[in-house]
Amino acid sequence: EAGVTQFPSHSVIEKGQTVTLRCDPISGHDNLYWYRRVMGKEIKFLLHFVKESKQDESGMPNNRFLAERTGGTYSTLKVQPAELEDSGVYFCASSQNRVEAFFGQGTRLTVV
Amino acid sequence: GENVEQHPSTLSVQEGDSAVIKCTYSDSASNYFPWYKQELGKGPQLIIDIRSNVGEKKDQRIAVTLNKTAKHFSLHITETQPEDSAVYFCAASKSGSSNTGKLIFGQGTTLQVKP
Repeated sequence: EAGVTQFPSHSVIEKGQTVTLRCDPISGHDNLYWYRRVMGKEIKFLLHFVKESKQDESGMPNNRFLAERTGGTYSTLKVQPAELEDSGVYFCASSQNRVEAFFGQGTRLTVV
Repeated sequence: GENVEQHPSTLSVQEGDSAVIKCTYSDSASNYFPWYKQELGKGPQLIIDIRSNVGEKKDQRIAVTLNKTAKHFSLHITETQPEDSAVYFCAASKSGSSNTGKLIFGQGTTLQVKP
């Protein structure tokens, strides 16, 4: 069984540009989460999808971040326009039962 | 707000020694406490978890203890090996179908096991 996959693994963009991160959850997992780790700090929750619906987006930093999950399968997280403080590692996780969550390898975003 | 404090931030042990990482959570409604291991270039991997109705759980060389009254939980690794070197994260959540399963993470502990 394939795990959670994310791509790209790394992205370097200039301030003001747009970047889109993608996450493919484990097949059959209705729950999909986005998290972010900034500058060696703790991993912080961004938002939670149940199928295609946003269940909780309380962790989204501002309106420059847009997450979608069309059809309830893969999800994208777009940052537009990117700022320096958006640099960090973005993780996606999926869960079947909202208990155990399985993480992807992350996308390291560097905004210069 | 919800908060998880994790200590120590770094831990260095000799191979074969034990390692203990401690976490404290703030939300008394939390009922699920997983531990994740993150190796370089990889995502966090679930290594063990404990639910609020259990005080201790063991899986080979790793064990987790939970003190609900004090809102403390700890990870214990015995007979450490160099491949245990990684960043370890504790987390707390209100899990299950009536909750979101959102994880609140500690700050992470970098464990180094010296051969």
